[in-house]
Amino acid sequence: AQSVTQPDIHITVSEGASLELRCNYSYGATPYLFWYVQSPGQGLQLLLKYFSGDTLVQGIKGFEAEFKRSQSSFNLRKPSVHWSDAAEYFCAVPTGANNLFFGTGTRLTVIP
Amino acid sequence: DVKVTQSSRYLVKRTGEKVFLECVQDMDHENMFWYRQDPGLGLRLIYFSYDVKMKEKGDIPEGYSVSREKKERFSLILESASTNQTSMYLCASSLSMGATYGYTFGSGTRLTVV
Repeated sequence: AQSVTQPDIHITVSEGASLELRCNYSYGATPYLFWYVQSPGQGLQLLLKYFSGDTLVQGIKGFEAEFKRSQSSFNLRKPSVHWSDAAEYFCAVPTGANNLFFGTGTRLTVIP
Repeated sequence: DVKVTQSSRYLVKRTGEKVFLECVQDMDHENMFWYRQDPGLGLRLIYFSYDVKMKEKGDIPEGYSVSREKKERFSLILESASTNQTSMYLCASSLSMGATYGYTFGSGTRLTVV
């Protein structure tokens, strides 16, 4: 079955530093892949999605993600983190026509 | 913008009570979903619905039921609330073929059962 794994439960970065959050997928064909962000006490918001084509995908809030088939990865990156980026981040992959499987999330802490 | 509205942000209920969590979306989406979110476990699918009066069990349906009488509204029902149902509940909606387009989520309802 299609799934994603987020190996990092919690990451701490300094404000202004670069960020990379890892997501590994298990999928037979070329997957659709998603990254969502959840601010404290809120629902999930779509950051970006990959369907096909260009392997570098730009999203909202200055985030980007790169699809690497050879590594089965879809890592989320940001060149310079802001304090407001502190949140939980979820990677997701379809398990059928309508359903998404979400990873267990990575919590990001930003220190001044 | 698509809006998914969950009627309560915080809810405290007693063990054994029947609890209704309501979710309304305003963009004519075919699909609606209920998840629960617990620390370290991520999002787990409880039930979903592809159409009015249709429902499908997700990964953890035990202790829950759902109702979808109108396209815009999807209700989650805890028939007899228990303390292990204390959690954050998230509603989401999507167009048909939602796995292609992604979901829109509500802000969540944090339920505490005492």
